[in-house]
Amino acid sequence: GQQLNQSPQSMFIQEGEDVSMNCTSSSIFNTWLWYKQDPGEGPVLLIALYKAGELTSNGRLTAQFGITRKDSFLNISASIPSDVGIYFCAGLSSNFGNEKLTFGTGTRLTIIP
Amino acid sequence: GAVVSQHPSWVICKSGTSVKIECRSLDFQATTMFWYRQFPKQSLMLMATSNEGSKATYEQGVEKDKFLINHASLTLSTLTVTSAHPEDSSFYICSARRGTGNQPQHFGDGTRLSIL
Repeated sequence: GQQLNQSPQSMFIQEGEDVSMNCTSSSIFNTWLWYKQDPGEGPVLLIALYKAGELTSNGRLTAQFGITRKDSFLNISASIPSDVGIYFCAGLSSNFGNEKLTFGTGTRLTIIP
Repeated sequence: GAVVSQHPSWVICKSGTSVKIECRSLDFQATTMFWYRQFPKQSLMLMATSNEGSKATYEQGVEKDKFLINHASLTLSTLTVTSAHPEDSSFYICSARRGTGNQPQHFGDGTRLSIL
């Protein structure tokens, strides 16, 4: 089946640092999404990417849809305490009209005081 | 807009009990709702896709008789875990999508299910 591998698995950074994480897939996706999940809550959509090569920003967040459609990265600039959480990439696939969201393995972001 | 509400947020029950979880789209009509399961420190895994008025489509390895899904209206889907056992303890999360195509899924806040 489809697998999405995220790296790094976890990050420990200081407030103000920039963050970069990526997601690679064994399969092609036509849509890539990045979500953030806080403990005990559902994931919240951060950025959606719909075209290969697309670069999209949402405030301090920037994400790109890889040319091969098998990868994506997410950058966070000037991190702040509320950025702490788990970041998931997700690829959207469609099979005979049935759409399915496959989530990555997650990157846990921790900010060191 | 695009608020999805799940209820209950947390439930503890004895082994053998059946548990019903509700997922509601509060400010939009959801043609499709999805149910995910997330074990500790793991990713979200899709269990089933539910379209209003039709039978749910289950992912491979998910028992449809164990996890009953009903999507009776455009704003409500329910997941019933029948005869729950400790191995069913997990974080269950629903999502809802307005329309089709590139409409994103909006997620509820999840239900923590603990079976004793």
